[in-house]
Amino acid sequence: SYVLTQPPSVSVAPGKTATITCGGNNIGSQSVHWYQQKPGQAPVLVIYTDSDRPSGIPERFSGSNSGNTATLTITRVEAGDEADYYCQVWGSSGDPHVVFGGGTKLTVL
Amino acid sequence: EVQLVDSGGGLVQPGGSLRLSCAAFRFTFSNYWMNWVRQAPGKGLEWVANIKQDGSEKYYEDSVKGRFTISRDNAKKSLYLQMNSLRAEDTAVYYCARDQGGLLDVWGKGTTVTVSS
Repeated sequence: SYVLTQPPSVSVAPGKTATITCGGNNIGSQSVHWYQQKPGQAPVLVIYTDSDRPSGIPERFSGSNSGNTATLTITRVEAGDEADYYCQVWGSSGDPHVVFGGGTKLTVL
Repeated sequence: EVQLVDSGGGLVQPGGSLRLSCAAFRFTFSNYWMNWVRQAPGKGLEWVANIKQDGSEKYYEDSVKGRFTISRDNAKKSLYLQMNSLRAEDTAVYYCARDQGGLLDVWGKGTTVTVSS
């Protein structure tokens, strides 16, 4: 089955830029979606189809996808951005299914 | 506001059964694939199952095949997950989620399932 690999944790100072990667075999050929999950809450979609933002998501959130790596970038990081972030694709082989990365804990120092 | 409300979680003994429900509000439920996603304590998100708009196709994560059954009632705008032969490793928060062409754009708040004796 398709595997998405994320770093377990990323730390960044307020006002700086956070970069969270999501690795997968030829992931650039797939649409990648990103979710933010704060403690005790349901996930929230923050980036879809590699780089689009749902309404209500700040412009500070952006995404890219090429080759074997998709990237979520958060500029001018705020304390409220501290959360777990998950990448997700639609399973490209076998039965239709959803694949999540293992998640990255973003810590704002 | 578009909303999903999941319910039905609780404490159940190993080998027991539980039925989760998810009610949809303010969107045309019958137009969408629907999913169940779970999250074990302190762990990441894990896809569990999905179902096509008319219920004609259903798919499952390998560890729940043969034990869980996803279903829907479009007239009642509801999604279900029947969970049988529950194991300790099924302990998790279970979320229903709307599928918008491969991305999950609306999520319920989750319902907690605890499998323990």
